[in-house]
Formats: sequence, C-alpha cells, structure tokens
Amino acid sequence: GNSVTQMEGPVTLSEEAFLTINCTYTATGYPSLFWYVQYPGEGLQLLLKATKADDKGSNKGFEATYRKETTSFHLEKGSVQVSDSAVYFCALTQGGSEKLVFGKGMKLTVNP
Amino acid sequence: NAGVTQTPKFQVLKTGQSMTLQCAQDMNHEYMSWYRQDPGMGLRLIHYSVGAGITDQGEVPNGYNVSRSTTEDFPLRLLSAAPSQTSVYFCASRLREPNTEAFFGQGTRLTVV
Repeated sequence: GNSVTQMEGPVTLSEEAFLTINCTYTATGYPSLFWYVQYPGEGLQLLLKATKADDKGSNKGFEATYRKETTSFHLEKGSVQVSDSAVYFCALTQGGSEKLVFGKGMKLTVNP
Repeated sequence: NAGVTQTPKFQVLKTGQSMTLQCAQDMNHEYMSWYRQDPGMGLRLIHYSVGAGITDQGEVPNGYNVSRSTTEDFPLRLLSAAPSQTSVYFCASRLREPNTEAFFGQGTRLTVV
C-alpha cells in the first residue's frame, strides 16, 4: 500500500538557519504530494502541494519539489523564523481518493 | 467563516462509557474524515465519507462508528471507551475534486481513564 516516510525529529534550530525535512514515499502510479503544518494547539493546515513530477510547491518561503526518480518531496526553507515552530507532516493521496496518507510528523522548534 | 468545527475540545471518559464527537463543516464539502493523532504514529484514518449516506472504514476503525445523514455533519461515536482510545481526534473535509486541500478542525483531546 501507499506509505510516507519522513524525518521525525524533534529538531531545534536557531533563527535564520536553513531547514530541510526529508520525505520519501511509496505508491503505485502518480500520487499527489502535500506538506501540512500544525501550529501549537491547532489543527493541520496545508502548507504546499505538488500534483505531478517536477512540480514545485511553494508557500511562506517553504519549497518542495516532486521528484519521481527518487520518490521524494523534501521540504526546504532558507531562513527559518521563530513563528515556523510547528509540527510538519508529509502526505500523499492517490487519484481522487479521500485517503490522505501521512508521515509521522516532525516537530520543529526555532529559537531566537 | 467557520470552516470545520469540532466539539468538544477536551473530554475525559471512564472506561466503558460512550460518547459522540461532533464535526460540522459549512463549506459544502463532499468528503469528510476522522483521524486520530498519537505520538510517534502520525495521523491514522478511522472512518471517512464521500457524501451523505455513504461511509467507509479507514485504517483503524475498530471501536468507532460513524454516520453521515447530512452533508454538513459527520459525528464519530465511541461505543465503549477504552484507554487505548486516548488520543487527539481530528475531523477533516474537502471537495470531491482530486488533489484539493483538506481542511481540519482544531481537534478533540480525549482521555479515557
């Protein structure tokens, strides 16, 4: 079945540091890929997505590129802020399925 | 703009008690789903619905029931609570179109003692 493997952390960075969160997936066909973010005490919200190979999703300074050859969708940000402290989830869906398959999530803490 | 509303936000149950977690959305989304979030496990799908009158099981359905009598509401029922059901529960909804964003409620933190 479909699955997502991501860095689990927790990770602590200083403000303005570079961030990479690795995410790889296993799926048949051509899944759509997502990064969701969960700020403290809140539900998840979509950060960015990519629906086909070589697509780049971007939002709030974060980027991720759909790499079919390496089945990866790594999240990057060049300079993190304290407000980026949150839990980050990589996820996929297959076709029109309702079933979002999540990775285990990674907690990021950014210190001033 | 309410989005997805879950109630209650916190609940403590005794083993064997039953309860219903409420979920309502005002975006006319066809798809709704329930997840549980446990440390080190990510989010796991409990039940989902593709429209009113249609429900199906997800990855971890045992001990939970759902129904979907209207487009807006998708309650989750715990039939006889067990300590293993201590978790944070999230309801989500999205449009039927592929690859659309899922909107999540703020969650219900349930403790079963």
